[in-house]
Amino acid sequence: DVQLVESGGGLVQPGGSLRLSCAASGFTFSLYWMHWVRRAPGKGLVWVSRLISDGTSPNYAPSVKGRFTISRDNAKNTLYLQMNSLRAEDTAIYYCARDGDNYNFDYWGHGTLVTVSS
Amino acid sequence: QSALTQPASVSGSPGQSITISCTGTSSDVGAYNYVSWYQQHPGKAPKLMIYDVSKRPSGVSNRFSGSKSGNTASLTISGLQAEDEADYSCSSYTSSSTLWVFGGGTKVTVL
Repeated sequence: DVQLVESGGGLVQPGGSLRLSCAASGFTFSLYWMHWVRRAPGKGLVWVSRLISDGTSPNYAPSVKGRFTISRDNAKNTLYLQMNSLRAEDTAIYYCARDGDNYNFDYWGHGTLVTVSS
Repeated sequence: QSALTQPASVSGSPGQSITISCTGTSSDVGAYNYVSWYQQHPGKAPKLMIYDVSKRPSGVSNRFSGSKSGNTASLTISGLQAEDEADYSCSSYTSSSTLWVFGGGTKVTVL
């Protein structure tokens, strides 16, 4: 079975940094594009970033571009999100999701909570 | 405010059919047949229910169906069951720099 398990969330002060991880299993990780999607409290889902299978050509939502960096280690079956210069509005549950064949997200993790507050 | 507009809540009795709308623009829902729907129970991971407007992944009940007209997509749940009570979100690929947009989510309540 496909499994995606996020970790690394927590409480961080504004301006701080955090690195999220997403451990993948049950499929050939190196063949799939991967995404990060977030949901702020009481709000809808928001796409954050995408990385293609070989780790090149990342894409970012304008709200995080220049502050967040997506990466992957295909040998470790793990996706990462390095988050710098964090703001209160980055507070959310962060989900990693596998890219489906046609611009959808076919498997998701349970998410990890990031809280940015002083 | 989410890019795609969904009703905040929809309810129905067991056995009934309900429809959730998802309204976007000519840059997203109206431009591409890449609308997908996700079900999420509290504390659980989102689950893909519909992709490419109307296709169902393997294992998803045929009680779930999708359609699109112009800039509005719809998800219909027929024969409503207690287990369908969840939050449903739509998504679309978009020509904007955001690449993907989501709706604000619709809470489905089974009366």
